[in-house]
Amino acid sequence: AQSVSQHNHHVILSEAASLELGCNYSYGGTVNLFWYVQYPGQHLQLLLKYFSGDPLVKGIKGFEAEFIKSKFSFNLRKPSVQWSDTAEYFCAPPGKLIFGQGTTLQVKP
Amino acid sequence: GAGVSQTPSNKVTEKGKYVELRCDPISGHTALYWYRQSLGQGPEFLIYFQGTGAADDSGLPNDRFFAVRPEGSVSTLKIQRTERGDSAVYLCASSPAAGFNEQFFGPGTRLTVL
Repeated sequence: AQSVSQHNHHVILSEAASLELGCNYSYGGTVNLFWYVQYPGQHLQLLLKYFSGDPLVKGIKGFEAEFIKSKFSFNLRKPSVQWSDTAEYFCAPPGKLIFGQGTTLQVKP
Repeated sequence: GAGVSQTPSNKVTEKGKYVELRCDPISGHTALYWYRQSLGQGPEFLIYFQGTGAADDSGLPNDRFFAVRPEGSVSTLKIQRTERGDSAVYLCASSPAAGFNEQFFGPGTRLTVL
C-alpha cells in the first residue's frame, strides 16, 4: 500500500526564516505525490504535485518541493516564510489520498 | 465556477440518532471522495465513487456508515445509530476522474454527537 510519513508534526518559525518540511514515501513503482495545505478555517487545497519529469516542482505562494528518489523523499521548501503561511501541511500520494498526521506550521510575526 | 459544497456546515445530534451529510461536487467531476478528519489528525479516507458506483469503500469504519451517489453527482453520507466517536469533520472532495488528479475539497460538515 502507498504510504507516506511526515517527521515534523509541529514547526514554529519566525517570519523570513527558511522552511523545509519532510515527507518520505515507502512504496515502489511509479511514485506520484501531492502536498496539500489547510489554512485556518479554510478548505484543503493543493500546493503542488509531482508526477514525473523535473524532480523540482514549483507550487503556489512560493513553495517548492524536490523529489529525491534515492532518499525516498519529497520535502516541501520555502526560502522565506510569512505569517500567512501558518497552516497544516499534508503530503499524500494521489488516488484515495492517504494523509498522515500532517505538519502544523506556526509562523510568528 | 462553484466549488464543492457541503451541507449542513454543522450538525449536532444525539447518540443513537441517524444523520445524513450531503456533498455537491464540482459540475462534471466524475470522482467523489469522502474523508473524516478528527482534531489534530489528517483526513482519513472513507469511500470514493467513480460515477454512481462506490469504487472503494474500504475506509468505512463499520456498517453504520453508508454512502450513495445515485445520479453520479450529489452524494450523501449516511450514519446510523451515531456514537460519540463519530464526532469529526466530514470532508468531501471531487476530481475530474479518479487516480492522479488533484482533488478539490469542500468546507466540510462538523458533526458533533452528544
